[in-house]
Amino acid sequence: RKEVEQDPGPFNVPEGATVAFNCTYSNSASQSFFWYRQDCRKEPKLLMSVYSSGNEDGRFTAQLNRASQYISLLIRDSKLSDSATYLCVVTVYGQNFVFGPGTRLSVLP
Amino acid sequence: EPEVTQTPSHQVTQMGQEVILRCVPISNHLYFYWYRQILGQKVEFLVSFYNNEISEKSEIFDDQFSVERPDGSNFTLKIRSTKLEDSAMYFCASSEGTPEAFFGQGTRLTVV
Repeated sequence: RKEVEQDPGPFNVPEGATVAFNCTYSNSASQSFFWYRQDCRKEPKLLMSVYSSGNEDGRFTAQLNRASQYISLLIRDSKLSDSATYLCVVTVYGQNFVFGPGTRLSVLP
Repeated sequence: EPEVTQTPSHQVTQMGQEVILRCVPISNHLYFYWYRQILGQKVEFLVSFYNNEISEKSEIFDDQFSVERPDGSNFTLKIRSTKLEDSAMYFCASSEGTPEAFFGQGTRLTVV
């Protein structure tokens, strides 16, 4: 079983749509969780950390379910500039970051 | 805003040659990483470095690879005797010990 799995994508959505990404992880000892975004041929950039209580940053909402080992990212009112690959990343503190394969999002005008 | 910087942005090398990829992590960070991403594939961990030594390495990080922190600011990845399959984007990242890591813009290595 892969360590971090994500929706295969791609997701093609119109501007203004709400889109949800799902991620599951296999290591129950994982402690920290993140969503990164990666534009084509660019470096991953931290979008947000994911906390057990759930957290929101503007149009972005992240949720964590430790019991199900599941992480989600919701983007509301999607913009053209949201087009990117979204990477689910988990880590056991002090160890390396494990990346999911990413889900590509294209927001269409 | 502090950032991780990598040089060069693009390196082309002949198969069998040695390359050194350079990184300047964010100045107060303590943990350093190298990752690679083969075109169209996921980001893969290579090595982490803390307190002047390797703290963890993946199966990919074999004897062909080495890392060094030659001074207080640089963090280098050396690849000896490059192979065609080493062609990839190589990302350096650093962390101050909080969970988040910040990535440099990457070096695109092309082995011909």
